[in-house]
Amino acid sequence: QKEVEQNSGPLSVPEGAIASLNCTYSDRGSQSFFWYRQYSGKSPELIMFIYSNGDKEDGRFTAQLNKASQYVSLLIRDSQPSDSATYLCAVTPPGTYKYIFGTGTRLKVLA
Amino acid sequence: NAGVMQNPRHLVRRRGQEARLRCSPMKGHSHVYWYRQLPEEGLKFMVYLQKENIIDESGMPKERFSAEFPKEGPSILRIQQVVRGDSAAYFCASSSRPGQGTYEQYFGPGTRLTVT
Repeated sequence: QKEVEQNSGPLSVPEGAIASLNCTYSDRGSQSFFWYRQYSGKSPELIMFIYSNGDKEDGRFTAQLNKASQYVSLLIRDSQPSDSATYLCAVTPPGTYKYIFGTGTRLKVLA
Repeated sequence: NAGVMQNPRHLVRRRGQEARLRCSPMKGHSHVYWYRQLPEEGLKFMVYLQKENIIDESGMPKERFSAEFPKEGPSILRIQQVVRGDSAAYFCASSSRPGQGTYEQYFGPGTRLTVT
């Protein structure tokens, strides 16, 4: 089992719809969770981070964390074509500060 | 621009040469992380450094790879005797003080290493 798993996609949604991206992790003691966006050929850009169970909203983005079920999700409301990118989930295992990344989900927002 | 700086952005080396990648953290950050991204793959952690200290090098190959973050100057990732399999994008990230409520890492633009 991979430490951090994401569906590779592509996930296609129409413009204006809600895009839902999911990530599961294997280490129950993981403490911090991050979502990055990466455009092709570019570096990862931090979108959201969440440390506590529940929802965290920032503009069109909502991160949801459920530690009991070991998943974290990212919702993008009112999706725009400019949101088309690969979304990377990252987790910090217990006792460390390094990130373990999933392989990313490619999102396509269709105009 | 107070973001994470990396240079060079592109580096071409022949097999057997040495590659040196540099990273200057974001202003106010003293913690540096190096990651490698192979084509169509996710980012893999290599090493975590503070000034003059290697904190975690669990992701770094034992041979040919080394990293440092001196008291003055940028962090350097050094790859000796490069092989074609070292061709990848190498990203540096920095953070302020992990473990004190902040864990966020901010990434530099990366160095794309091509070994011919």
